[in-house]
Amino acid sequence: EIVLTQSPGTLSLSPGERVTLSCRASQSVSSTYLAWYQQKPGQAPRLLIYGASSRATGIPDRFSGSGSGTDFTLTISRLEPEDFAVYYCQQYGTSPSITFGQGTRLETK
Amino acid sequence: QVQLQESGPGLVKPSQTLSLTCTVSGGSIGSGSFYWSWIRQPAGKGLEWIGRIYSGGTTTYNPSLESRVTISVDTSKNQFSLNLGSVTAADTAVYYCAREVASRNYFDHWGQGALVTVSS
Repeated sequence: EIVLTQSPGTLSLSPGERVTLSCRASQSVSSTYLAWYQQKPGQAPRLLIYGASSRATGIPDRFSGSGSGTDFTLTISRLEPEDFAVYYCQQYGTSPSITFGQGTRLETK
Repeated sequence: QVQLQESGPGLVKPSQTLSLTCTVSGGSIGSGSFYWSWIRQPAGKGLEWIGRIYSGGTTTYNPSLESRVTISVDTSKNQFSLNLGSVTAADTAVYYCAREVASRNYFDHWGQGALVTVSS
């Protein structure tokens, strides 16, 4: 099973700041199969990025993804108030499992 | 716009079977481009993929749960279902159904989630 480790666990930031979230895999992951989600309290996760760098429908261009192999990042270029949430990475690799990272919480400073 | 909605009992006794159904609207569950998955999230914790089904009935399960899980599909009702047997308190969680894009294995549509509590 591929383990995804996200860092940091929690980030305290202010609106307008730039942030980069990290997702590191225990084994190499094909970029095709790396996705990012945003989850707000009481809501289901929302797809942000798929294929490591492709934005999902309706996702603002302040969100961007990059990376390959075992290291992937999600960048938010300028934080808006609605961006404070928990972010998860997810991979599909060694069949048959899908795994998620443990999440990074963005909180308001 | 595709929508998914979970339904089922919110309380299950230990050792019994947890059963949930996901109803899909706005699209056919028979589409060959998608899988239909179940994912759960204990309170305050992360996401765990439980398993998936293809419209033809082929299933794949998380090895950690495989011995207790059955996922089935009813294309005539545009529904798929989860059965999780021999539940314990550790199975208490919000259970989500989700549409998985078959070519890239990411989840583009999610249900709102159903809280299931295991307690006597």
